[in-house]
Amino acid sequence: GAVVSQHPSRVICKSGTSVKIECRSLDFQATTMFWYRQFPKQSLMLMATSNEGSKATYEQGVEKDKFLINHASLTLSTLTVTSAHPEDSSFYICSARVGVVYNSPLHFGNGTRLTVT
Amino acid sequence: AQRVTQPEKLLSVFKGAPVELKCNYSYSGSPELFWYVQYSRQRLQLLLRHISRESIKGFTADLNKGETSFHLKKPFAQEEDSAMYYCALTLRTGTASKLTFGTGTRLQVTL
Repeated sequence: GAVVSQHPSRVICKSGTSVKIECRSLDFQATTMFWYRQFPKQSLMLMATSNEGSKATYEQGVEKDKFLINHASLTLSTLTVTSAHPEDSSFYICSARVGVVYNSPLHFGNGTRLTVT
Repeated sequence: AQRVTQPEKLLSVFKGAPVELKCNYSYSGSPELFWYVQYSRQRLQLLLRHISRESIKGFTADLNKGETSFHLKKPFAQEEDSAMYYCALTLRTGTASKLTFGTGTRLQVTL
């Protein structure tokens, strides 16, 4: 089955530094990947849609300059949290769609827990 | 805007009892509804989708457009069903679609 690998699974960084999270589709090509953020005991909130070869589409209220998304290949999307602050501490999850049909199921990575000290 | 509501944060049932996880949605178009499940220490995964009209692990869900609901049901709960369940909706907007999740319901099956 389709596998999405997310790395790292945990990261601790100091306030003001930047952190990069990778999302890879291991056995399929993903023209579209999605980045979600999940606060404790809350739902997954879509942050942005990552499109291969073009600019990401950000949801309302998500800072483009703070959460940089790059989708340079059909198997890799990266999320960089720039100048991280403690309020950016959260669980970040990526997902990828197999195929291009709008209602194809999403496959999720294991998530990255970011802690900013 | 589309919205998915799961009114219960926690649902606790005894093993063998029927289960119904509620999901209501608001969307003016033709929605595609899904149920995703997250077992302890595992990633989120698809459980079932309304267009498939199938039963997965004994679970079924029927889309009721009149009540704008997509409740997840199982006649007899098993211990291994304990997990976090998310109802989700996707917009029919071609390839530029996105999945909106409800807040999730934790199902706890006890002996």
